[in-house]
Amino acid sequence: EVQLVESGGGLVQPGRSLKLSCVASGFTFSNYGMNWIRQAPGKGLEWVAYISSGSSYIYYAETVKGRFTISRDNAKNTLYLQMTSLRSEDTALYYCARHPLFAYWGQGTLVTVSS
Amino acid sequence: DVVLTQTPPTLSATIGQSVSISCRSSQSLLHSNGNTYLNWLLQRPGQPPQLLIYLVSRLESGVPNRFSGSGSGTDFTLKISGVEAEDLGVYYCVQSTHAPPTFGGGTKLELK
Repeated sequence: EVQLVESGGGLVQPGRSLKLSCVASGFTFSNYGMNWIRQAPGKGLEWVAYISSGSSYIYYAETVKGRFTISRDNAKNTLYLQMTSLRSEDTALYYCARHPLFAYWGQGTLVTVSS
Repeated sequence: DVVLTQTPPTLSATIGQSVSISCRSSQSLLHSNGNTYLNWLLQRPGQPPQLLIYLVSRLESGVPNRFSGSGSGTDFTLKISGVEAEDLGVYYCVQSTHAPPTFGGGTKLELK
């Protein structure tokens, strides 16, 4: 059974940093690109970042470019999102999802940016 | 980036009614490999999104066959033939033909 489990969310002050993790199981993680998607309270889905299976291709949404860094460790079946210079508008539920069909999603980890 | 425009933003339906949701792309979603990576997701309240339809018209395993997808190029449609109570939620189209992936704005299906 494919599983994606996010962690690392929490309450953080504006300007601070946070690192999210997504542990994958039930499939060959190193064969798939992965995405981070977020959903602000009451809002729609916003794609945040993508990383290819071997980390050769990385893309970011303009809203996070220069502040967030996506990475992965295929040996640990883990996807990461390093978030710096956090803003109140980054408050959201953060999901990881498998590329390209978005067939598998985690339950999400909540990031709240507030003083 | 590819822009996906979903209409309508809200849909009110009675149980048993058939409804359609449109997703229009700002550019063709036909990939050079011949696939069209346009998928449909349903997000029920308090749940992560779940895949309903992938590659335009292929039904994900376990999804009822009252759901169907169609379209090509830039115009795509999700149809529900006989809405059931469990179908309520927000529907999203998502494309992964072009980098980066993009989502439509969502269509909320409500009970009339």
